Amino acid sequence: GAVVSQHPSWVICKSGTSVKIECRSLDFQATTMFWYRQFPKQSLMLMATSNEGSKATYEQGVEKDKFLINHASLTLSTLTVTSAHPEDSSFYICSASASGFYGYTFGSGTRLTVV
Amino acid sequence: AQSVTQLGSHISVSEGALVLLRCNYSSSVPPYLFWYVQYPNQGLQLLLKYTSAATLVKGINGFEAEFKKSETSFHLTKPSAHMSDAAEYFCAVSDLGEGSQGNLIFGKGTKLSVKP
Repeated sequence: GAVVSQHPSWVICKSGTSVKIECRSLDFQATTMFWYRQFPKQSLMLMATSNEGSKATYEQGVEKDKFLINHASLTLSTLTVTSAHPEDSSFYICSASASGFYGYTFGSGTRLTVV
Repeated sequence: AQSVTQLGSHISVSEGALVLLRCNYSSSVPPYLFWYVQYPNQGLQLLLKYTSAATLVKGINGFEAEFKKSETSFHLTKPSAHMSDAAEYFCAVSDLGEGSQGNLIFGKGTKLSVKP
């Protein structure tokens, strides 16, 4: 079955630093990747959608300069949280889908804590 | 616009009892509907999905869901709860319908607790 690998699974960083989260589709080509943010005991909030080779489409209210998304290949998308602050602490989850396959495969998530 | 409503943010059942998690959707196009399970600090695992084929969908771990267009519902059931079923469950609808790769719109989730 389709597998998406997300790394790191958890990270602690200092305020003002940047953190990169990787999302890889291991056994299929992900034409579209989605990045979600999940606050404690809440549902997933879509942050952005990216198609391979194109600029990401950000949801309203999501700062594109703060959350940099790169989808340079069909198997890799990255989310970089720039100049992180404590309010950016959250659980980030990626999801990948492929053309012709109607489904979504989720990564295992990244717990980001900014201190 | 599509939306999903999950009734009950927290449901508790006894081990061996019926599990019923409710999901209602609104969609202007024939929907694709999904149920996911999330364990603490983990990503989402697909339980089952409805993609306009059979209205009764069987998934993993003994779960199934029935698509009822007249009721705009897609409730998740399992005849007999197991302790390992304790988790957060999310219902989701795709916002672009068949043939598209739209993003998922999630309900707020239902936390299932299973008592011994």
